[in-house]
Amino acid sequence: SQQGEEDPQALSIQEGENATMNCSYKTSINNLQWYRQNSGRGLVHLILIRSNEREKHSGRLRVTLDTSKKSSSLLITASRAADTASYFCATVYLTGANSKLTFGKGITLSVRP
Amino acid sequence: GAGVSQTPSNKVTEKGKYVELRCDPISGHTALYWYRQSLGQGPEFLIYFQGTGAADDSGLPNDRFFAVRPEGSVSTLKIQRTERGDSAVYLCASSSLPLGGRTPMNTEAFFGQGTRLTVV
Repeated sequence: SQQGEEDPQALSIQEGENATMNCSYKTSINNLQWYRQNSGRGLVHLILIRSNEREKHSGRLRVTLDTSKKSSSLLITASRAADTASYFCATVYLTGANSKLTFGKGITLSVRP
Repeated sequence: GAGVSQTPSNKVTEKGKYVELRCDPISGHTALYWYRQSLGQGPEFLIYFQGTGAADDSGLPNDRFFAVRPEGSVSTLKIQRTERGDSAVYLCASSSLPLGGRTPMNTEAFFGQGTRLTVV
């Protein structure tokens, strides 16, 4: 089963615009991570936010976490055509033994040149 | 190696045959994960190894699926009596620490490029 749900499922924007992607999850988490996937193959880690953090930045990426609403958002500023990919949020559960990433279905981002 | 390596990159097999998929994690990474991804879906967890032992195999769909990691490094995912529904991309990932739990430093997972399995 998949823990998170991303929204929207697909997003198309013009180069230079900002892209905002949202993720909701169901149970208490240890941390939440965003990954990117090109062409349906390997995933690349983008950013990790811990359950006691509310916001993190990495380059053009900004991620927020609201544990009361069980939601996260990923903002990509000044998008480029090369940002075209699928983006997934993944959660790590709070319980000690359950150390795995649980992914949502993903968001397909298209950035038009 | 520099990253997680999976072989083969593509595998076509006939229904009913046995297949083995190999994962070579980043050197020194104690945690290893197998995922399966169908078209248009997110990766679905199969099994997690901590060292040589399977710490969580709750995602294996049935007893046709089995995975080993005998020396705590390379892992093999084995599928018996393959079915057309097994067709998917099988992804392997490794991490230097468990991803959550009691570790003070949360960490990321590094993924291989996957093996695309097609059962005909």
